[in-house]
This record gives sequence, C-alpha cells and structure tokens, in this order.
Amino acid sequence: SQQGEEDPQALSIQEGENATMNCSYKTSINNLQWYRQNSGRGLVHLILIRSNEREKHSGRLRVTLDTSKKSSSLLITASRAADTASYFCATERGATNKLIFGTGTLLAVQP
Amino acid sequence: DAGVTQSPTHLIKTRGQQVTLRCSPKSGHDTVSWYQQALGQGPQFIFQYYEEEERQRGNFPDRFSGHQFPNYSSELNVNALLLGDSALYLCASSPGLAGNTIYFGEGSWLTVV
Repeated sequence: SQQGEEDPQALSIQEGENATMNCSYKTSINNLQWYRQNSGRGLVHLILIRSNEREKHSGRLRVTLDTSKKSSSLLITASRAADTASYFCATERGATNKLIFGTGTLLAVQP
Repeated sequence: DAGVTQSPTHLIKTRGQQVTLRCSPKSGHDTVSWYQQALGQGPQFIFQYYEEEERQRGNFPDRFSGHQFPNYSSELNVNALLLGDSALYLCASSPGLAGNTIYFGEGSWLTVV
C-alpha cells in the first residue's frame, strides 16, 4: 500500500518557470526522500530530509518538511526541458531503511 | 565509483516459468532491498537483505525469494510467474540499516507473456 500521495498527479509548465510538487503521508517518519524517474528508467536520488529538519536546498531544488501536517514539498526553480520526469516522495518509518512511496507527480517542461 | 548495477535490463518470460534478477550494490553499501514498480505506480517494497539474511519483507507471496552473497550482491527469484508479475524490478542499496540515503539501480524490466 502507498504511504502517501503526491499532488498534483501531473503538471505542465514552460521552461524557466518554477515547479512545485507536494507530498502527503499518513504516519510519523524518520526521514523523507525525493526521487526523479525518467520514463522507463531507474530512480535518481534528489534530496533526503530528516524529521527534525524543515528545509533543505540542493542546486535548483528546495525541499520543505512539515511534520505537523505530514507533508513535504519539492520546488524546482528555473525549470528546464531536461527536468521532464516523474517525481516521487518516499518515507522511511522508524529505523528500517524501508521506503514507502507515493503515487508520483508527472512533470512536463515545455521548451 | 559504480552505482547500483542490475542485470538483465530487459527480459521476457512465459507464465509459469522462473526468473532470477541480479544486483550489485553501490561500493561500501551492505544493505540491499528490492522493489516492484508496476506501470503508472510508485515502487512497492518486496524485501531487504543485510548480513545475508532477509530482514524485512513486504506484502509479497512466497513465490518471491532472494539471497544476499558475502560480497553484498543480491538475487531476486520469482517462481511460477504470473502475468501480473510484469513490472520494473528495482534494486536499492544503502550503508547500514537505517536513516541513510538509499540509491537505486536502473532496474530490470520483466514481461510475462
């Protein structure tokens, strides 16, 4: 079963615009990780944010975590056509290294 | 530094057959997990291996089994294949059992006909 859901399910933007994807989950977590998946390929790790952290940055990526609302967001600034992919959030409950994935957001960046 | 490597990349099997998928973890990683991703879905956890033992298991039948070798590499075996087993099978590795970044391979596409 899925732990959470991404919102929106699909997002289409123009190059240069910002893209925001949201993730909600159901139970308390140890950490939350965001991944990118190009069509038919493996998962590329983007950012890990721990439950005691509120915000992390990596290049054009900004991730926030609100444990009181059980939600996270991924912001991609100045998007590029190469950012076109599916984006997944995944949560680790307890000290297990077992990830539970959401349903994913399909991002299309139009050149 | 090679990341997580999986083989084969694609394979086609007939219903009822058996399949073995292989995974080499990222250098320095001793924990290997397997996930199944059906089309249009998020990955689902199958099981996790550490110190050559199965440590956790998701909601998958006994037809799914695995093994971890002393060099930390791993195999996923699926017996009595069903059409519904068609999916992308992803191997993931991490150092230790908890709280670390988990890296994934490119996956093995299994089609059951």
